[in-house]
Amino acid sequence: AQSVTQPDIHITVSEGASLELRCNYSYGATPYLFWYVQSPGQGLQLLLKYFSGDTLVQGIKGFEAEFKRSQSSFNLRKPSVHWSDAAEYFCAVPPFGNEKLTFGTGTRLTIIP
Amino acid sequence: DGGITQSPKYLFRKEGQNVTLSCEQNLNHDAMYWYRQDPGQGLRLIYYSQIVNDFQKGDIAEGYSVSREKKESFPLTVTSAQKNPTAFYLCASSMRGDGELFFGEGSRLTVL
Repeated sequence: AQSVTQPDIHITVSEGASLELRCNYSYGATPYLFWYVQSPGQGLQLLLKYFSGDTLVQGIKGFEAEFKRSQSSFNLRKPSVHWSDAAEYFCAVPPFGNEKLTFGTGTRLTIIP
Repeated sequence: DGGITQSPKYLFRKEGQNVTLSCEQNLNHDAMYWYRQDPGQGLRLIYYSQIVNDFQKGDIAEGYSVSREKKESFPLTVTSAQKNPTAFYLCASSMRGDGELFFGEGSRLTVL
């Protein structure tokens, strides 16, 4: 079965530092891949998505992600984080031919001054 | 503005009571979903519906029920059979054939 793994439960980063959140997928074909962000007590918002084509995908709020088939990864990056980036981040993959998204367990990001 | 509205935002319930969470969307989306979120467990799918008058069980449907009588509405009932109902519930919608979901702001249910 298709699945997605986020190995880091919690990451702490200094404001202004770079960020990389990891996501690994298990999938037979080329997957669609998504990153969502959730502020405390809120719903989720789509940051970016990969369907096909360029492996480097640009999203909102200055985030980007790179699809690497050889590593089965879709890591989220940001060159310089802001205090407002503190949130929980979810990677997701829809099973082939199915509407349902499968979410990773999430990575909680804390920003320190 | 188009979006998804969930109500109530906070809800308290005594054990043994059923409770219904509302989800309404004006995005003209065909598909709607209910997820449950618990700390450290990500989002788990309860039920989903791809078309009016049809819905399917997700991964944790036991103790829950839904209906889809209108395209805009997908209410979730948490029944007394749900053994651990205290959680954050999220409703979402999407266009068919597009995996991108749009989420409401959630409903937090606490069982006393």
